[in-house]
Amino acid sequence: KQEVTQIPAALSVPEGENLVLNCSFTDSAIYNLQWFRQDPGKGLTSLLLIQSSQREQTSGRLNASLDKSSGRSTLYIAASQPGDSATYLCAVKGSGGYQKVTFGTGTKLQVIP
Amino acid sequence: DARVTQTPRHKVTEMGQEVTMRCQPILGHNTVFWYRQTMMQGLELLAYFRNRAPLDDSGMPKDRFSAEMPDATLATLKIQPSEPRDSAVYFCASGPTPDGTVNTEAFFGQGTRLTVV
Repeated sequence: KQEVTQIPAALSVPEGENLVLNCSFTDSAIYNLQWFRQDPGKGLTSLLLIQSSQREQTSGRLNASLDKSSGRSTLYIAASQPGDSATYLCAVKGSGGYQKVTFGTGTKLQVIP
Repeated sequence: DARVTQTPRHKVTEMGQEVTMRCQPILGHNTVFWYRQTMMQGLELLAYFRNRAPLDDSGMPKDRFSAEMPDATLATLKIQPSEPRDSAVYFCASGPTPDGTVNTEAFFGQGTRLTVV
C-alpha cells in the first residue's frame, strides 16, 4: 500500500525567503507525481506534474524534483510571497492496475509580510 | 475554459436525510474520481470510474454510499442515510484515460462541503 508523507505539516516563513517542501512515498512504482495547492475553502489547483521518467519540472518560481529510487520529491518556492500562503499537497499516481492516486496530508504554508 | 464542475458547493442536511452530490467531468475525460477530505484523514479515494464503469469503490462505505455515472457528462455520489461523521468536503476529479504510455494530470472540481447535523 502506497503511503505518502509530507514534512513539515506546517511552515511559517518571512516574505522573500526561499523554501522547500518535502514529499516522500513508500512505493517507487509510480506513474507520476503531482503537486497541488489548496486555498482555504477551495478546491485543488494543480501546480506541477512530474512524469516518472523526469527528474524535475519548473513553473515560474516553483521547481519540483523527483527522485523515484529514494521515494522523494521536493517543491522549491523561490522568493516567497504572502499570496503563496496555502496548503500544498503532493499526490502520487501508482503504475499498477488502475493507477490509484494517493495524497499526502499536506504542508500548510504561511508567508508573513 | 474546461473545468470540473461540482454541485452543490455547500450542503447542510439533517442526519438521516439523503444527500446527492453531482459532478460534471471535463468533456472527453474518461476517468472520474471521488475523494473525501477531512481534517483528520486528509484526502481519501472513495471511488474510481473509467469509461463510466466503476473500477474501484473499496474506499466507500457500501452500506450508505453509492456512486454512479449515468452518462459520460455526469457522475453522482449519494449518501443515504447521512450521518454527522460524513461531514467533509467531497471532491470530484477527472482525467484523460491513461493508456499505459500517457501520463495524465488529474483535474479537480471545487468540491462540495457537506455538513450533516
